[in-house]
Amino acid sequence: EVQLLESGGVLVQPGGSLRLSCAASGFTFSSYAMSWVRQAPGKGLEWVSSISGGGGSTYYPDSVKGRFTISRDNSKTTLFLQMNSLRAEDTAVYYCAKDQDYTNPSSPDYWGQGTLVTVSS
Amino acid sequence: DVVMTQSPLSLPVTLGQPASISCRSSQSLVYSDGNTYLNWFQQRPGQSPRRLIYMVSNRDSGVPDRFSGSGSGTDFTLKISRVEAEDVGVYYCMQGTHWPWTFGQGTKVEIK
Repeated sequence: EVQLLESGGVLVQPGGSLRLSCAASGFTFSSYAMSWVRQAPGKGLEWVSSISGGGGSTYYPDSVKGRFTISRDNSKTTLFLQMNSLRAEDTAVYYCAKDQDYTNPSSPDYWGQGTLVTVSS
Repeated sequence: DVVMTQSPLSLPVTLGQPASISCRSSQSLVYSDGNTYLNWFQQRPGQSPRRLIYMVSNRDSGVPDRFSGSGSGTDFTLKISRVEAEDVGVYYCMQGTHWPWTFGQGTKVEIK
């Protein structure tokens, strides 16, 4: 059974930094691309970042490019999201998601339960 | 960025009746490999999103066959043949063909 368990979400001040983790199990982690998707309170879904199975390719939307960094440790089957220069508009539940593909992420097929990040003074 | 436009945004449905959600993209979702990476997700109240359909019309394992996806190019549809109480929630289309990935606004399905 695929399991994705996010952690690291807390209350942080604007301008601060945070690192989210996603512990994966139940599948061959290194064989699949992974992504982060967020959902602001009461709002829709927004893609945040993706990484290929080997970690050599990463993807970001303009809204987080230069501030967020996605990475993975395949030996520990864990996905990370380093978030710097946080803004109030980054407040959201952050979901970790497994993709159905290795090199060309296109479709997240399993999602974690999410971790809440609140950016506020 | 590719804009995904869903309609309607709110869909009251009678139990046992069909429901249909439209999703239109601002440009073609056909990728260079010939595939169309259009997905549908269901998010029940208080839960994480769950993928129902991938590549326009492929149903995920465990998804009831009352859910079906169709369409091509820029025009896509999710249909529920007979709505059940457990289908209440928000449904999102999402394109994975072009970076950045983009989602529709979501369609809230509720029981009349």
